[in-house]
Amino acid sequence: DIQMTQSPSSLSASVGDRVTITCRASQGIYNYLAWYQQKPGDVPKLLIYAASTLQSGVPSRFSGSGSGTDFTLTISSLQPEDVATYYCQKYNSAPYTFGLGTKLEIK
Amino acid sequence: QVQLVQSGAEVKKPGASVKVSCKTSGYTFTTYYMHWVRQAPGQGLEWMGIVNPSGGSTTYAQKFQGRVTMTRDTSTRSVYMELSSLTSEDTAVYYCARAGVMVYASFEYWGQGTRVTVSS
Repeated sequence: DIQMTQSPSSLSASVGDRVTITCRASQGIYNYLAWYQQKPGDVPKLLIYAASTLQSGVPSRFSGSGSGTDFTLTISSLQPEDVATYYCQKYNSAPYTFGLGTKLEIK
Repeated sequence: QVQLVQSGAEVKKPGASVKVSCKTSGYTFTTYYMHWVRQAPGQGLEWMGIVNPSGGSTTYAQKFQGRVTMTRDTSTRSVYMELSSLTSEDTAVYYCARAGVMVYASFEYWGQGTRVTVSS
C-alpha cells in the first residue's frame, strides 16, 4: 500500500504568517490528493481536491500544489480561525489513506 | 442540501458487534459512493471502506477484512457499517463520508460522527 507522510507533525506560527505543510506519497498518485481541515471537536472539512482545486466556500488564502509524490498545502496569511489539524489523503485507489496530520497552532 | 445523519453513541462490551447507520438526504442516493472513516481518541483519520450505493459492492481496508460489513438500503437512503469482535482499540468516532460520482474522489460531505466506546 502507498504510504502518506506529512510534515511537520505540528507547527506554531503567528497571525499573518505564510504556512506550508507538505505531504509525500510513497508512490506516484498523479493529482489524486485531497486536503482536509479538522478543527477541535469538529468534523473534517474538505479544503482542496485534485491537489490544487479549492473546494467551494474555502477562503482563497488556502492553496494546494504538487503532483506525483510531493504535495503542498499553503496558507498565505494565517488567521486565528485556521487553528486545526490538517490531513492529506490519497484517493487514486483503495486504500484511501490519510496522512497522520499536522497540528497547527497560533504562536 | 446534502445531509448525512448518523445514529447515536454506542457503548459495547469487548467481543460484541456494533452497527452504525448513516441516513442521507438532499441528493440522488445511488449516484455517489460512500465511505466509512474512524478516528480513535486523540488520533488521526483511518479509512475503513467504501460502499457503492447503487449495486452494494464494497471494498474494505485490509485491517478490517473479515470483521466489517458495509451495506446500504436504497429504500431508506441509508448506509450501514457493522463491526464485530470489538476490542478496546475499536473505541473511536466513526464517520460516514460521501465521495463523488467516480469511485476515486475526495470526501465532500461528512456525517456528524458516531462515538463507539468499547469497555467491559
